[in-house]
Amino acid sequence: QKEVEQNSGPLSVPEGAIASLNCTYSDRVSQSFFWYRQYSGKSPELIMSIYSNGDKEDGRFTAQLNKASQYVSLLIRDSQPSDSATYLCAALEYGNKLVFGAGTILRVKS
Amino acid sequence: ETGVTQTPRHLVMGMTNKKSLKCEQHLGHNAMYWYKQSAKKPLELMFVYSLEERVENNSVPSRFSPECPNSSHLFLHLHTLQPEDSALYLCASSQETFDYEQYFGPGTRLTVT
Repeated sequence: QKEVEQNSGPLSVPEGAIASLNCTYSDRVSQSFFWYRQYSGKSPELIMSIYSNGDKEDGRFTAQLNKASQYVSLLIRDSQPSDSATYLCAALEYGNKLVFGAGTILRVKS
Repeated sequence: ETGVTQTPRHLVMGMTNKKSLKCEQHLGHNAMYWYKQSAKKPLELMFVYSLEERVENNSVPSRFSPECPNSSHLFLHLHTLQPEDSALYLCASSQETFDYEQYFGPGTRLTVT
């Protein structure tokens, strides 16, 4: 199993809907997780970090960490076309290396 | 300048050329990183520097040679590259090594002909 796995998508949602992006992780990573957004041709931009079990909200974004099930999610409320991008899940590997998933493509249709 | 900057933004080089990529961070961070991003592949960590000392070399071929003269600057020297080295090369920085959020520069799009 890869350390961090994501469905490549694309995930298509209508404008105004909730987009739900998921990421599963292996026992080889620690409990520090990050979500990055990457627009086509651009570099990754950090949007959320989560370190403890439960939910963390920041504006329209909510990160959820479930340690028992080993998954971390990113919810985007009131999705906008400008949210269309690739979302990268990253986790700290034991040994302190940041490992990335391959990313999920999100398309928000107006 | 703010954040993390990289030059050049685009580079085309032949297999026998020697070139260098430059990264500069204006965030006062102590750790800097080089990543490679190829099409449809996860970001791959190449090198990590903490306070100018290399702490990680992720089995990268010797045709890639990093240099960190101070905590704000990072270089990636390239020589005798292969076409499969064509990719987006990203520099990142964080407050401390690994255990903090990393911030990326805009990247250098490298094409090896």
